[in-house]
Amino acid sequence: DQQVKQNSPSLSVQEGRISILNCDYTNSMFDYFLWYKKYPAEGPTFLISISSIKDKNEDGRFTVFLNKSAKHLSLHIVPSQPGDSAVYFCAARLDNQGGKLIFGQGTELSVKP
Amino acid sequence: EAGVAQSPRYKIIEKRQSVAFWCNPISGHATLYWYQQILGQGPKLLIQFQNNGVVDDSQLPKDRFSAERLKGVDSTLKIQPAKLEDSAVYLCASGISGDTDTQYFGPGTRLTVL
Repeated sequence: DQQVKQNSPSLSVQEGRISILNCDYTNSMFDYFLWYKKYPAEGPTFLISISSIKDKNEDGRFTVFLNKSAKHLSLHIVPSQPGDSAVYFCAARLDNQGGKLIFGQGTELSVKP
Repeated sequence: EAGVAQSPRYKIIEKRQSVAFWCNPISGHATLYWYQQILGQGPKLLIQFQNNGVVDDSQLPKDRFSAERLKGVDSTLKIQPAKLEDSAVYLCASGISGDTDTQYFGPGTRLTVL
């Protein structure tokens, strides 16, 4: 039962353009959503998050949008840079579950110069 | 500030052998997590500790996997005996108090079972 899904395994974008990474979920009890970034041979690092009571959160070049009715969130990176090339994981947290995260499968972003 | 440390970074074993992984969380972090990441999938939580107590081990295959955090700091994860499908990256993460805080991940241990 895949509660968090990232249907695009890979995405290629030109430097300077917008990258949009998508994530869908099935459980309406998720109260918090996070994006993690992972470089090869390293652990995931926290990027940005959003509470279920909000529909947008912005941090520099990164913006996360949440559409609760569609059970969909997206990460926008503008402008994209070659250093953004990594695997991006969407994760969701169940309310009152002690911080347990449920991850999507990941999307590998490649930003070409 | 030192990050989450894990060792070894790589391990290759034969099936039916035993293996152990070690994790040293960020100093002062009460919560510690072990995740399994199979190639092409996202990390899956195996077990969560709050200090030295288990909060969630619902997805830990207890017939072969065990984990401990005796003094509420370092933790070890053991697999005995290993199966081919245990080949994965084992990630350790820590957080200040669990629940709402950010989880910080170590570099992981890549296990290959032949």
